[in-house]
Amino acid sequence: DADVTQTPRNRITKTGKRIMLECSQTKGHDRMYWYRQDPGLGLRLIYYSFDVKDINKGEISDGYSVSRQAQAKFSLSLESAIPNQTALYFCATSEDRGFGYTFGSGTRLTVV
Amino acid sequence: KNEVEQSPQNLTAQEGEFITINCSYSVGISALHWLQQHPGGGIVSLFMLSSGKKKHGRLIATINIQEKHSSLHITASHPRDSAVYICAAPSGGGADGLTFGKGTHLIIQP
Repeated sequence: DADVTQTPRNRITKTGKRIMLECSQTKGHDRMYWYRQDPGLGLRLIYYSFDVKDINKGEISDGYSVSRQAQAKFSLSLESAIPNQTALYFCATSEDRGFGYTFGSGTRLTVV
Repeated sequence: KNEVEQSPQNLTAQEGEFITINCSYSVGISALHWLQQHPGGGIVSLFMLSSGKKKHGRLIATINIQEKHSSLHITASHPRDSAVYICAAPSGGGADGLTFGKGTHLIIQP
């Protein structure tokens, strides 16, 4: 099994629908991150969490929410999906600041 | 907030050539990351370095902290090296997480 697992791998949804992307990890890392990747742009940070009680907004958090259900699980929700949220979404974990990152395989989300 | 610039954006080379990808950043950092993204989309961490040079197989990463510049080199390039290579630096400004370059799309032709 992968160290960081994202589900689903691909999803097509309609404008206005609520959708949840899930991330689980077996690394035992406290820090978890959600990034989105758009063609021609670098990955951008949506939300990050240091533990279940510590959730922080990233640079592009509008339209998104997150839930840290346990140390190992970090979910990203789109409350009302819109087409410009079509992107590749990555979950990542890190042991601590200054340590390396482990990325999930990504979720390709299309909003029509 | 750190700004990360990579060059070139696209690079096509012949098998066996020596490849260099450059990365510069604007804010002093503790460590810089080099990542590889294959066409399937997954991202793999190649290096995290804070000084000098690191080598893994045919990949070499160097960093000059004073000049805020890093390079990724591939020796004896092979078609399987074709991928997007991304550098990333801590975001800084009190925020956690990384700021990523836009990536270098590398194609190695047989």
